[in-house]
Amino acid sequence: GQNIDQPTEMTATEGAIVQINCTYQTSGFNGLFWYQQHAGEAPTFLSYNVLDGLEEKGRFSSFLSRSKGYSYLLLKELQMKDSASYLCAVRGPGNQFYFGTGTSLTVIP
Amino acid sequence: KAGVTQTPRYLIKTRGQQVTLSCSPISGHRSVSWYQQTPGQGLQFLFEYFSETQRNKGNFPGRFSGRQFSNSRSEMNVSTLELGDSALYLCASIGSNTEAFFGQGTRLTVV
Repeated sequence: GQNIDQPTEMTATEGAIVQINCTYQTSGFNGLFWYQQHAGEAPTFLSYNVLDGLEEKGRFSSFLSRSKGYSYLLLKELQMKDSASYLCAVRGPGNQFYFGTGTSLTVIP
Repeated sequence: KAGVTQTPRYLIKTRGQQVTLSCSPISGHRSVSWYQQTPGQGLQFLFEYFSETQRNKGNFPGRFSGRQFSNSRSEMNVSTLELGDSALYLCASIGSNTEAFFGQGTRLTVV
């Protein structure tokens, strides 16, 4: 079966750094994706990892360890607009994406 | 390049009715996936279509069905609506070795 776990909620302070973890167990692996979803809007793509290591993209970085079935999304210099739900997703065989239930991040002043 | 278009954006139906939702993927993308999103359940995979064929299917009852046309546009249908079908239905357009691009979704409310 497919299982993707991430924390339900997190709170962090504006200007700080926050790390959102994701663990997964899936049959087949063709990459791990992070999406951001603001309330009432569609998910938007943030990052993609298919090999182990860190991918950096501006204020956002994502890390993957395939042997551990583990990823994290790192958000630096948090801004109020970063308050959103962050979805971890694994791409399985074909184009099937398996999503976690999302981590609701609240950034406070 | 136009994004993923889903219609309608909002829909209110009564129990027992049926509904059809539409999704036009990004030009050139042949794969379309459908997801149901409810609070606490996250994104649940419904099915994926590729070149007019259903390639993958999630764990939803047979009341949920879909199809894809030769121009890659896809429709999903839900028959005999239940209150629990109230959700945001998202369509994702996927190219070769790319991320999934989502439409704005259709917010379905069953009363």
